[in-house]
Amino acid sequence: DQQVKQNSPSLSVQEGRISILNCDYTNSMFDYFLWYKKYPAEGPTFLISISSIKDKNEDGRFTVFLNKSAKHLSLHIVPSQPGDSAVYFCAASSNNAGNMLTFGGGTRLMVKP
Amino acid sequence: SQTIHQWPATLVQPVGSPLSLECTVEGTSNPNLYWYRQAAGRGLQLLFYSVGIGQISSEVPQNLSASRPQDRQFILSSKKLLLSDSGFYLCAWSGLARSTDTQYFGPGTRLTVL
Repeated sequence: DQQVKQNSPSLSVQEGRISILNCDYTNSMFDYFLWYKKYPAEGPTFLISISSIKDKNEDGRFTVFLNKSAKHLSLHIVPSQPGDSAVYFCAASSNNAGNMLTFGGGTRLMVKP
Repeated sequence: SQTIHQWPATLVQPVGSPLSLECTVEGTSNPNLYWYRQAAGRGLQLLFYSVGIGQISSEVPQNLSASRPQDRQFILSSKKLLLSDSGFYLCAWSGLARSTDTQYFGPGTRLTVL
């Protein structure tokens, strides 16, 4: 049973527009959420995170929104740039799991010039 | 600053051969360490994690094993590789405190078993 799901395996966006990547989770114990970006043949790099006590966290062009009642989070990238083309993973952790992260399956974002 | 190294970057091995992938972390003490595998077109699967020297927990039964001989060294091994062991292997570290759940990944090792 996948506790963290990214239902869109791929997303294509025009440069300059907004990219919205979605993630759903089922474990109500999750209280910390992260987004990672991964280029081919490289390790994932940490992008942005959010604690369950917040519903929004912003860092430059990246904003993460958390809707706890819907068990849904999203990553907004505005404006999208061709260099943003990568696979994006969401991840979640809970207080009773130490530092363990549960990852979604990833969404491949393609930003067209 | 902390850095994490993995080697080799790529590896092609025949079925039945042994495997040893190494991961080292610099700039931090007593980190939590993790091995993940990313199979083609799939997400990240946690294989092993370690909270200290000699302490290894396995998340999935498999043909692989892990060891932590030193505080900042994490090794992934196999005695006999299977075709299904092919994939992209990632090592990651995190701090101990609950507030530092962010994991930081190494560059990865692409393993192809033929």
